Amino acid sequence: SYELTQPPSVSVSPGQTARITCSGDALPKQYAYWYQQKPGQAPVLVIYKDSERPSGIPERFSGSSSGTTVTLTISGVQAEDEADYYCQSADSSGTLFGGGTKLTVL
Amino acid sequence: QVQLVQSGAEVKKPGASVKVSCKASGYTFTSYGISWVRQAPGQGLEWMGWISAYNGNTNYAQKLQGRVTMTTDTSTSTAYMELRSLRSDDTAVYYCAGVRMVRGVIIHYGMDVWGQGTTVTVSS
Repeated sequence: SYELTQPPSVSVSPGQTARITCSGDALPKQYAYWYQQKPGQAPVLVIYKDSERPSGIPERFSGSSSGTTVTLTISGVQAEDEADYYCQSADSSGTLFGGGTKLTVL
Repeated sequence: QVQLVQSGAEVKKPGASVKVSCKASGYTFTSYGISWVRQAPGQGLEWMGWISAYNGNTNYAQKLQGRVTMTTDTSTSTAYMELRSLRSDDTAVYYCAGVRMVRGVIIHYGMDVWGQGTTVTVSS
């Protein structure tokens, strides 16, 4: 069955760049979306359609796509960016989430 | 502002049913579809299905087919998710989330507005 694969964890120091990947066979044909979720809170959409940023999301969040892998990049990571991040892909038949990546800011 | 407000926490016994509501405000109800997503304790996000507030069309996750029903009431701008034959592994936080539509067509599948979540506990 189709899956989206994310690394379980990524660690970076403040001010560095964090890159979180998401791999899946359908990604060349489907857009990817990224969500940030902090403990006890609902997810927040931070990237849509591979690389678009919703209003109100800081410019340090960006997305890119290459073949079967999409990447969420957080430039100049701040302590407040520590959270779980989930990728999502979808088409008319349904939606799938990746397993999530815990971003730790050292 | 665009807002989704969900009903309160529920405790159910195995085999029972639960119905969670999601009331929308701050926008035209039919301009969003509503996805339902759940998250078991300590686990990731699981998509349950989607309903168009425009025409009531639904699309359920195969895993939940036959146990889940999603409906909308346009007169009160409220979406509902009913899950039947509850099991202990249905214990989770259940979220509703909005997917933007124009005249019944999904603009993109990103969920840009979320409810606060409803905790459903299934225990004997």
